[in-house]
Amino acid sequence: EAAVTQSPRNKVAVTGGKVTLSCNQTNNHNNMYWYRQDTGHGLRLIHYSYGAGSTEKGDIPDGYKASRPSQENFSLILELATPSQTSVYFCASGDRDWGPYEQYFGPGTRLTVL
Amino acid sequence: QQQVRQSPQSLTVWEGGTTVLTCSYEDSTFNYFPWYQQFPGEGPALLISILSVSDKKEDGRFTTFFNKREKKLSLHIIDSQPGDSATYFCAAEAGANTGKLTFGHGTILRVHP
Repeated sequence: EAAVTQSPRNKVAVTGGKVTLSCNQTNNHNNMYWYRQDTGHGLRLIHYSYGAGSTEKGDIPDGYKASRPSQENFSLILELATPSQTSVYFCASGDRDWGPYEQYFGPGTRLTVL
Repeated sequence: QQQVRQSPQSLTVWEGGTTVLTCSYEDSTFNYFPWYQQFPGEGPALLISILSVSDKKEDGRFTTFFNKREKKLSLHIIDSQPGDSATYFCAAEAGANTGKLTFGHGTILRVHP
C-alpha cells in the first residue's frame, strides 16, 4: 500500500512568520508534488520534484520554496507567510513504473495564517 | 487560465440513479486523463483513468468516456450509492510523460438514500 504522510496535520501561523510543511513517502517514487486546495479552485500545483536534490516550479510557485533532500522527503517552505496562503496543502508521490500513472496523496495539512 | 473545465460544481442524485460528470480541455498535448475521488478530510485517490488512444474505460460501476475530437471526457456512475458521496476531480497530464497533472475544480456529489 502506497504511503504518504504529512506533518503537521494542522498549523496556525502568524503573518510574516516562517512555515515548513513536511512530507514523507515510503513508495520509493521519484516524483513528488505539493498542491494547495481551495474552494472553487480545485488542486493547484505549487512545486514538484523528479528526485533528490531537484525542485521545479509548478503553476503557482510565488511565495513558496521547496526542498527535496532525499528520495523520501519533500518540504514546502513559506518564508514570509501571508493570510492568502491559508489553505489545505497536499503532498503526493508518483512514478511511472508500469500501468496507468497514479499520484498517491497524503492526508493534507490545514494551514491558517492569521 | 483554467485548462481543465469541470461541470457541474455540485450534483445531487438519488440512490440507484446514474451520475454523469463532465470535463473539457483545450491543450491538445494532454494525453492521459485520470479521475480522482476525495472524501472529506482525506487526500484524493485515483478512481479510474483513460489514455487518449481509448474512448472508453470501465471499472465496475464507474465508466469514463473520452472524445478526442471534442476534447471532452465524462465519468458515469451507475447505481449510485450513498458511499459514492465525495468530491470528484478530473485531471489531465500536461505533455507526454511529464507526471504533471492539471486538475479541474471538482464536482461535489451527494447521493441521497
